[in-house]
Amino acid sequence: ELKVEQNPLFLSMQEGKNYTIYCNYSTTSDRLYWYRQDPGKSLESLFVLLSNGAVKQEGRLMASLDTKARLSTLHITAAVHDLSATYFCVRGGADGLTFGKGTHLIIQP
Amino acid sequence: GAGVSQSPSNKVTEKGKDVELRCDPISGHTALYWYRQSLGQGLEFLIYFQGNSAPDKSGLPSDRFSAERTGGSVSTLTIQRTQQEDSAVYLCASSLAGTGGATPLHFGNGTRLTVT
Repeated sequence: ELKVEQNPLFLSMQEGKNYTIYCNYSTTSDRLYWYRQDPGKSLESLFVLLSNGAVKQEGRLMASLDTKARLSTLHITAAVHDLSATYFCVRGGADGLTFGKGTHLIIQP
Repeated sequence: GAGVSQSPSNKVTEKGKDVELRCDPISGHTALYWYRQSLGQGLEFLIYFQGNSAPDKSGLPSDRFSAERTGGSVSTLTIQRTQQEDSAVYLCASSLAGTGGATPLHFGNGTRLTVT
């Protein structure tokens, strides 16, 4: 059964701190996506990771992919309140897209 | 350029009524997806269209749900005899390539359906 598990599902942190969200998937894939969703809004694409060892960075967010471990991480550096949102990882493959349940991130001033 | 457009943005309907939700994908995008998101939950896959291929309907929860895509562009999701458990935000997304490609999905703002 295809599974995408995000950890943690809920995270409250203070501004200025660093943290990592983990995404494990059960079936081999060479594509992993990260999306952001603000409350009441739709999903916005953040990163597309296409190969083992891929690392992409945008501002305070950095995503990586280890296809051998079936693991992707989303690292937050020196968090700011504006990054409060729900973050979804999505495993992609010819067999379709599988969404994680999302990590609800709250960053407190 | 224009993004994925969904209408209506909000729909309140009585139990037992039929509803139609519309999605206008980004021009040139061959793949179109419908998802459902309940309050505070993740996304539930409903249906996927890719070009002229037969749609993947494996996510439709019951035969009350159907969708079509006309001319490879606009899609309509129809829910017949709505039930209260159908209340959710229905999200449409499109992409340049299908699930075999590597392009991200572009999501619309969704239709919030409330069945009373």
